[in-house]
Amino acid sequence: GESVGLHLPTLSVQEGDNSIINCAYSNSASDYFIWYKQESGKGPQFIIDIRSNMDKRQGQRVTVLLNKTVKHLSLQIAATQPGDSAVYFCAEKGRGDDKIIFGKGTRLHILP
Amino acid sequence: DTEVTQTPKHLVMGMTNKKSLKCEQHMGHRAMYWYKQKAKKPPELMFVYSYEKLSINESVPSRFSPECPNSSLLNLHLHALQPEDSALYLCASSPSTGSTEAFFGQGTRLTVV
Repeated sequence: GESVGLHLPTLSVQEGDNSIINCAYSNSASDYFIWYKQESGKGPQFIIDIRSNMDKRQGQRVTVLLNKTVKHLSLQIAATQPGDSAVYFCAEKGRGDDKIIFGKGTRLHILP
Repeated sequence: DTEVTQTPKHLVMGMTNKKSLKCEQHMGHRAMYWYKQKAKKPPELMFVYSYEKLSINESVPSRFSPECPNSSLLNLHLHALQPEDSALYLCASSPSTGSTEAFFGQGTRLTVV
């Protein structure tokens, strides 16, 4: 079953503002936590991952934060653009495991 | 070429039909996956292939039969499906099963009538 889930199903953000998408997980044995983006009519697309021994990782306009104390993962998107409109899934991968398991998604809606 | 190509894009089949979904990648990836996605739900893992061998079967009913004829191709054979099997079927590939970055196709929208 899923070991990752999200707090909010829909998030509306003004264009240009920063977005923060949250995810709670239950499997402490996960080796990697991953964020995927799925636009309408497309398959999921990898955004960024973070290994379980890290607490922060930055990419282009995105930052992932991992708080192992409270088993919480977040994705921060800077200066949100209309192209960021999508469903965002957190996912996890166990050590030595061949599976990528997806949690529930959050729909990010960009307000003009 | 960073594309995973799935055919057909849409498929309507009866409960007594036999059909196949096809997936192709030319990125040299050695891991390939089938996921099932229902509306407004996350993708659910069905099968994992590693170096053309079945690595994981997530207790999928036998009416779904995967096949990996070579390192670039992945098929999903369908037989005697039920209406509740209607979903988006997503194929993905990654360099290896140790990768966190999987490349997904656009999926096949399957309707069982």
